[in-house]
Amino acid sequence: EPEVTQTPSHQVTQMGQEVILRCVPISNHLYFYWYRQILGQKVEFLVSFYNNEISEKSEIFDDQFSVERPDGSNFTLKIRSTKLEDSAMYFCASEGGVGGNEQFFGPGTRLTVL
Amino acid sequence: AQSVTQLDSQVPVFEEAPVELRCNYSSSVSVYLFWYVQYPNQGLQLLLKYLSGSTLVESINGFEAEFNKSQTSFHLRKPSVHISDTAEYFCAVIRNYGGSQGNLIFGKGTKLSVKP
Repeated sequence: EPEVTQTPSHQVTQMGQEVILRCVPISNHLYFYWYRQILGQKVEFLVSFYNNEISEKSEIFDDQFSVERPDGSNFTLKIRSTKLEDSAMYFCASEGGVGGNEQFFGPGTRLTVL
Repeated sequence: AQSVTQLDSQVPVFEEAPVELRCNYSSSVSVYLFWYVQYPNQGLQLLLKYLSGSTLVESINGFEAEFNKSQTSFHLRKPSVHISDTAEYFCAVIRNYGGSQGNLIFGKGTKLSVKP
């Protein structure tokens, strides 16, 4: 069964460093999302991506964040200069767009900023 | 704006007992409703969804949820739980654009712990 994969599973970084979180969505899907979950809090929407551009973003997704789909398969989230409060579990999701409204989630990347 | 409230952060139950995980939502527009489950060290998996039609929806593993528009609720129930149902359950909504895309708005999650 096709699935969304994410790498790495756990990333530890120093404050101020850049990190790139990687996702491989399901191959024929058209819509892509990043969510995050700070420990003990809700899963929060960050950004959605369609047709090679951002379709919607939340107020969390400020200038420190960027997304791209560099090669037609990977979908990446970059945090330019990490802050302590960026520590969270980051989930990637993809959706077929054909109908059914189901977003398929990856297992997540746990980001720890020291 | 939409919001989702899951009233219970943790629900401990014994095996074979019934369980109800509560979810209420707030929205000024029509929404689609979802329950996702997260097993330990795994991603979120769709358990069931309500888009339209019958207000009672079922999953393949015995869970069901009923959309109640007047009470703005979408509670999840199972008449007899198993140890393997131990997981965190998330209620979520998407604005109903009439299409299929939108960002999910999640509740805080309910940790279901099934004891032998």
